[in-house]
Amino acid sequence: KQEVTQIPAALSVPEGENLVLNCSFTDSAIYNLQWFRQDPGKGLTSLLLIQSSQREQTSGRLNASLDKSSGRSTLYIAASQPGDSATYLCAVKYNQGGKLIFGQGTELSVKP
Amino acid sequence: SQTIHQWPATLVQPVGSPLSLECTVEGTSNPNLYWYRQAAGRGLQLLFYSVGIGQISSEVPQNLSASRPQDRQFILSSKKLLLSDSGFYLCAWSRQGDTIYFGEGSWLTVV
Repeated sequence: KQEVTQIPAALSVPEGENLVLNCSFTDSAIYNLQWFRQDPGKGLTSLLLIQSSQREQTSGRLNASLDKSSGRSTLYIAASQPGDSATYLCAVKYNQGGKLIFGQGTELSVKP
Repeated sequence: SQTIHQWPATLVQPVGSPLSLECTVEGTSNPNLYWYRQAAGRGLQLLFYSVGIGQISSEVPQNLSASRPQDRQFILSSKKLLLSDSGFYLCAWSRQGDTIYFGEGSWLTVV
């Protein structure tokens, strides 16, 4: 069964800290992996998309890495800010036309 | 640029009443369209996806149905709502194999 797991479920850090969010998937033959941000009561905003042939993607203070062989991806957030507080979800797609399989998300709280 | 609109944003409906949530995408043609549900404290569950007009795939058996009457319009419906249909419903679109973009969501409370 293809499953996506995110650990931890919740994380609280002081402002300015660098942090890592983890995502693991059971089947390593992925097509791509996507990280999203979700603010409370809102839709999802795409942050980064990593194709299966890529090792990492960067956008501003965000860096996402992909290690297919170990079935893992990490989202690195540098110099965290209170505005980064949200739930972060990763999702995996196994073929071009396939559905996204989501993890449960990590709820991040950055304290001023 | 492409945009996705979803409405209504909030809905409170009695058990047994019908449901219609609408979603439209602008700025692209022949998108893949999706309906997801996010129950409280749980991840996203794919309900329906569509690769073209009239082409609907259902992921889970349930009390809901979907239709795609036009290329960029996706509708989620129910004839008789159940309490368990309460949740946060998200419409999304993508091009083949590309980034997926979500609407702002619709909160449904069945009472």
